[in-house]
Amino acid sequence: QKEVEQDPGPLSVPEGAIVSLNCTYSNSAFQYFMWYRQYSRKGPELLMYTYSSGNKEDGRFTAQVDKSSKYISLFIRDSQPSDSATYLCAINPQGGSEKLVFGKGTKLTVNP
Amino acid sequence: GAVVSQHPSWVICKSGTSVKIECRSLDFQATTMFWYRQFPKQSLMLMATSNEGSKATYEQGVEKDKFLINHASLTLSTLTVTSAHPEDSSFYICSARGSGGAYEQYFGPGTRLTVT
Repeated sequence: QKEVEQDPGPLSVPEGAIVSLNCTYSNSAFQYFMWYRQYSRKGPELLMYTYSSGNKEDGRFTAQVDKSSKYISLFIRDSQPSDSATYLCAINPQGGSEKLVFGKGTKLTVNP
Repeated sequence: GAVVSQHPSWVICKSGTSVKIECRSLDFQATTMFWYRQFPKQSLMLMATSNEGSKATYEQGVEKDKFLINHASLTLSTLTVTSAHPEDSSFYICSARGSGGAYEQYFGPGTRLTVT
């Protein structure tokens, strides 16, 4: 089983829709969870990170972690065409380690 | 703040030659830098972790003699792909970590390498 699983999509939504992006992970010891946005031919950009179960909000973005289910989500409210990108979840496997393990990424298109 | 640059942004080279890619942290000191490669429609795969002034730590399956990493200063790391072959064609991305935790990795814009 892979450490991080992410549905690659693609996902296409109309402007203004609520987008839900999800990842599952295999090891309950994983501690830090991150979401990155990557535009085509660019490096990833950190959107949000969290280390506890529950929700974390930042503007139109909400990161959710359910450690009991080993499931993480990113919600985008009032999606905009500029949100069109690939979204990658990433996990820091263990405290003290600097290694990040990435999901495959979900390609999102927001249609005007 | 927290800007990471890479140079070149894209490079084409002939099979058998070597290519050097630079990664710089522009406005912070990076104690640790990471090198990833990304194939089309695939995720980032960590190749190696480098700490300033010490040897890089390579991930399993990555040939350290082929992918030479040097981290000579707190703002510069280089990746040299030696004796490049067409299968080395990929998108190479570096990231740099400052004083924060693993979640504080800032990525460069990437370098697209094409080996003909």
